[in-house]
Amino acid sequence: QSVLTQPPSVSAAPGQWVTISCSGSNSNIGNNYVSWYQQLPGTAPKLLIYDNNNRPSGIPDRFSGSKSGTSATLGITGLQTGDEADYYCATWDSSLSGWVFGGGTKLTVL
Amino acid sequence: QVQLVESGGGVVQPGRSLRLSCAASGFTFNVYAMHWVRQAPGKGLEWVAFISYDGSNKYYAESVKGRFTISRDNSKNTLYLQTDSLRAEDTAVYYCARDQRAYCGGDCPSDHWGQGTPVSVSS
Repeated sequence: QSVLTQPPSVSAAPGQWVTISCSGSNSNIGNNYVSWYQQLPGTAPKLLIYDNNNRPSGIPDRFSGSKSGTSATLGITGLQTGDEADYYCATWDSSLSGWVFGGGTKLTVL
Repeated sequence: QVQLVESGGGVVQPGRSLRLSCAASGFTFNVYAMHWVRQAPGKGLEWVAFISYDGSNKYYAESVKGRFTISRDNSKNTLYLQTDSLRAEDTAVYYCARDQRAYCGGDCPSDHWGQGTPVSVSS
């Protein structure tokens, strides 16, 4: 049972857009920045979004992040087959003094 | 470029120990905090432990507290995870990860990850 709640899976057609939600509480999302990671099959996670809505260099602007209260959302536009991966939200939890991850969302590009 | 290379994983019996290592290169190791994160087969990511840039602060997930110890040797640019009293549920790929910003206190995201080292705990 993950501290942060994500839908297990989402799907959409190529070229479409999709959003992935992440729900937490005041001790984590409510008072800390949210990050998003992409994990392609068989590879290490890759930082996609940091500080709620910032993209590291090299991440295309098709990826976006937002946060409101104790929830966060990852948006992906212009879906490509190469976007098929597991996506994780993460944040610091002030009560636990540690990082917490969502359970992960598997994106399928139909 | 930043490189993190884990080693030390393997197959071990329940109750035994393993020491995982993470060799860092391509950046000034002694100004970045580090983390260990693990992923059980077919499961999601689980944060395991954090150590500050100078080793003075350490945090652990409840699931490993009292059994795992994170440490670092800044003279060798190496991060460690001593895993004791291993259990079947510790079976996972263990990743080391670097904080995105220098001198961060634990709440910075990780922008570089190693390829992971697998640990299998089985009798």
